[in-house]
Amino acid sequence: DAGVTQSPTHLIKTRGQQVTLRCSPKSGHDTVSWYQQALGQGPQFIFQYYEEEERQRGNFPDRFSGHQFPNYSSELNVNALLLGDSALYLCASSLGLAATTQYFGPGTRLLVL
Amino acid sequence: QQPVQSPQAVILREGEDAVINCSSSKALYSVHWYRQKHGEAPIFLMILLKGGEQKGHDKISASFNEKKQQSSLYLTASQLSYSGTYFCGTEEAAGNKLTFGGGTRVLVKP
Repeated sequence: DAGVTQSPTHLIKTRGQQVTLRCSPKSGHDTVSWYQQALGQGPQFIFQYYEEEERQRGNFPDRFSGHQFPNYSSELNVNALLLGDSALYLCASSLGLAATTQYFGPGTRLLVL
Repeated sequence: QQPVQSPQAVILREGEDAVINCSSSKALYSVHWYRQKHGEAPIFLMILLKGGEQKGHDKISASFNEKKQQSSLYLTASQLSYSGTYFCGTEEAAGNKLTFGGGTRVLVKP
């Protein structure tokens, strides 16, 4: 049973560039949530996708956008990268929306220079 | 507003007990507990729904007091493998986003 997978594992970009991160949910899961985790802090909710629609959004600017595909996989796009976007980006999958367990992937570590 | 976790860090000897607290200023629907080791993804420990239930996973258990919007995680007879950072994630309504606390670093020494 495959767990949550994310790609790439590491990424280095320069300010102003754009980046796309990918996530495949755990088998049987249909909901994907994205989190940003700065060093030494807890994960911060970016947004959640269910049935190919953004259902909820955290306090992140429009530079952060996403997409969910019919196979439930998801992408996170960040435009006009800033130094402060350097962080570990975590994808979590779950089944449905109501108070269910979220399983996290290994994350993508993004460094913006 | 994120929940507040206390203490921020704790050092234990193998076999000792510890309690980690998570407090929110808002009414909660559920509390989720995760453990994260350095460089790894958070691992799910347990979820507690409102109703004051208590759950356990091996020698790790938790309680949820919905009236006080507080949850506590109990590490009993700690093992070396319990080392890591523990996060509580709170949910204000079913299907709502998880808001994580700042984490509690736990180090268990032999």
